Amino acid sequence: GNSVTQMEGPVTLSEEAFLTINCTYTATGYPSLFWYVQYPGEGLQLLLKATKADDKGSNKGFEATYRKETTSFHLEKGSVQVSDSAVYFCALNDYKLSFGAGTTVTVRA
Amino acid sequence: DAGVIQSPRHEVTEMGQEVTLRCKPISGHDYLFWYRQTMMRGLELLIYFNNNVPIDDSGMPEDRFSAKMPNASFSTLKIQPSEPRDSAVYFCASSFAPGTGPYEQYFGPGTRLTVT
Repeated sequence: GNSVTQMEGPVTLSEEAFLTINCTYTATGYPSLFWYVQYPGEGLQLLLKATKADDKGSNKGFEATYRKETTSFHLEKGSVQVSDSAVYFCALNDYKLSFGAGTTVTVRA
Repeated sequence: DAGVIQSPRHEVTEMGQEVTLRCKPISGHDYLFWYRQTMMRGLELLIYFNNNVPIDDSGMPEDRFSAKMPNASFSTLKIQPSEPRDSAVYFCASSFAPGTGPYEQYFGPGTRLTVT
């Protein structure tokens, strides 16, 4: 079946550091890929998405590229802020979402 | 649009009591999902509906859990009787699924359930 594996956290960074969260997937066909973010006490929000190979999703300084050859969709941000502290979920969609376990990111001032 | 609305936001109840969680999806969305989130198990899909019909309830933990969607604008998740291990945050999400292409789910703020 379809599944998503993302790097375990927690991840702690200083402001302006570079962030990478690895995500790999297993799927039949060509699913769409998503990154969701959950801020403390809130529901999940879509951060970015990509619908086909080599697509790059981007939002709020975050980027991720759909790599079919490595079945990956790693999330990156060049300079994090304290406000980026949250839990990040990688997900794939073939008619319902399959989520990764989530990675907790804490950014310190 | 107001987004997905869930009520109550917090619920504290005693073991053995019935609990009903409510969800109003975004107007026009024809898929509705119920999730449970715990520290131990992460985010789990419990059940989802398409056009008010339950499609996959394989994630419902046991017969104490039931979900209904009587119309396009309302769904309930009921736990009867509740147990302490049901304590979690329950999320409702909705989406619009066109004939082709991807779709994204919109999540409500969640209901934090505590069973003592």
